[in-house]
Amino acid sequence: GIQVEQSPPDLILQEGANSTLRCNFSDSVNNLQWFHQNPWGQLINLFYIPSGTKQNGRLSATTVATERYSLLYISSSQTTDSGVYFCEAGANNLFFGTGTRLTVIP
Amino acid sequence: GAGVSQSPRYKVAKRGQDVALRCDPISGHVSLFWYQQALGQGPEFLTYFQNEAQLDKSGLPSDRFFAERPEGSVSTLKIQRTQQEDSAVYLCASSLEAPARAWATEAFFGQGTRLTVV
Repeated sequence: GIQVEQSPPDLILQEGANSTLRCNFSDSVNNLQWFHQNPWGQLINLFYIPSGTKQNGRLSATTVATERYSLLYISSSQTTDSGVYFCEAGANNLFFGTGTRLTVIP
Repeated sequence: GAGVSQSPRYKVAKRGQDVALRCDPISGHVSLFWYQQALGQGPEFLTYFQNEAQLDKSGLPSDRFFAERPEGSVSTLKIQRTQQEDSAVYLCASSLEAPARAWATEAFFGQGTRLTVV
């Protein structure tokens, strides 16, 4: 299957700071999604973004399919942004990266 | 239903016991996926259905794991003779279309079933 790698594995931010999370994938994909896993384990859909750029409030994402990467931007971070962010990608199937654990401190 | 529903939410099984985990996907969704998430890890792919056909079961860790989706809607993941290493959260997801399609392939996840084998 496709290899999906995320970086950094851990990130600690001061509240109000901006951050960029990266997802690299090893082959062409039809599907790419970003999720936030809340403390109860629910995977919350952030972006469905096989290509292009999308924005939703303080979050935005860009996927450059030809170069096999996607970026998730978080601006003006808040403590409620803390948690694990996953990238999922695939063509005939869907595979997760190992996640980025974000901690936003007040 | 409005979202993907999984039951039970929590299951405690004695080692050696058989368990069955249920997933109700979003109505009309063609694709259904099962994942296993160990504590502190990312979800690992187990198996994928397109309607009632199990197109990929390469992620099932052993022959003790079996999944079915006989009518192309509800799916059951069965684990026979459970072992402690089976303890994990089992996640189910569905999407309107197959991943190979270039549209409508956004996946939606249920809340998972937390299995603890004692």
